[in-house]
Amino acid sequence: AQSVTQLGSHVSVSEGALVLLRCNYSSSVPPYLFWYVQYPNQGLQLLLKYTTGATLVKGINGFEAEFKKSETSFHLTKPSAHMSDAAEYFCAVSDWYNQGGKLIFGQGTELSVKP
Amino acid sequence: KAGVTQTPRYLIKTRGQQVTLSCSPISGHRSVSWYQQTPGQGLQFLFEYFSETQRNKGNFPGRFSGRQFSNSRSEMNVSTLELGDSALYLCASKSGGDNEQFFGPGTRLTVL
Repeated sequence: AQSVTQLGSHVSVSEGALVLLRCNYSSSVPPYLFWYVQYPNQGLQLLLKYTTGATLVKGINGFEAEFKKSETSFHLTKPSAHMSDAAEYFCAVSDWYNQGGKLIFGQGTELSVKP
Repeated sequence: KAGVTQTPRYLIKTRGQQVTLSCSPISGHRSVSWYQQTPGQGLQFLFEYFSETQRNKGNFPGRFSGRQFSNSRSEMNVSTLELGDSALYLCASKSGGDNEQFFGPGTRLTVL
């Protein structure tokens, strides 16, 4: 079975500070890993994904994440937070067999950005 | 390309009623998945349809059902509504060979 744990349901940073959102996964098969962002009253938007290949993945809006198999982690980072980054962020796992379908999500991390 | 569309966007029902939600995927996408989002349980996978066949199913009671039509549009039905079914229902589509899902804006269902 697959599962995702996001450490910290709320994270607050100052504008311009580093953003670090933590995600650990559990999977018995090689995982596909995703980070999504959700703004109020909207659906989910994909920030970035890891399937195979390079373990450092760059996404939209300056976000990136590194797949670390030994640590079963896929933490999301952004060097400098912007006010527009305030939203809820979800880490998700799938696998090759499901071809990216049947996403298992973490509980989400709400990011606040202080001016 | 137009994105994933869901109708209606908001819905209010009473306990015991049934409801049907609709999802139109991105043109060319043959896979449609449904998710339930609640404050308590978070985002949970309901089911996935591919080429009119259910390919995956989550752990939801039989009151939750779905189908997919030949044009890839999908509907989700919930019968005998309960208060706990109040949630945001999200639909996502993807092409057969890709692993990236594109989400619609969701249908907010309130059960009174």
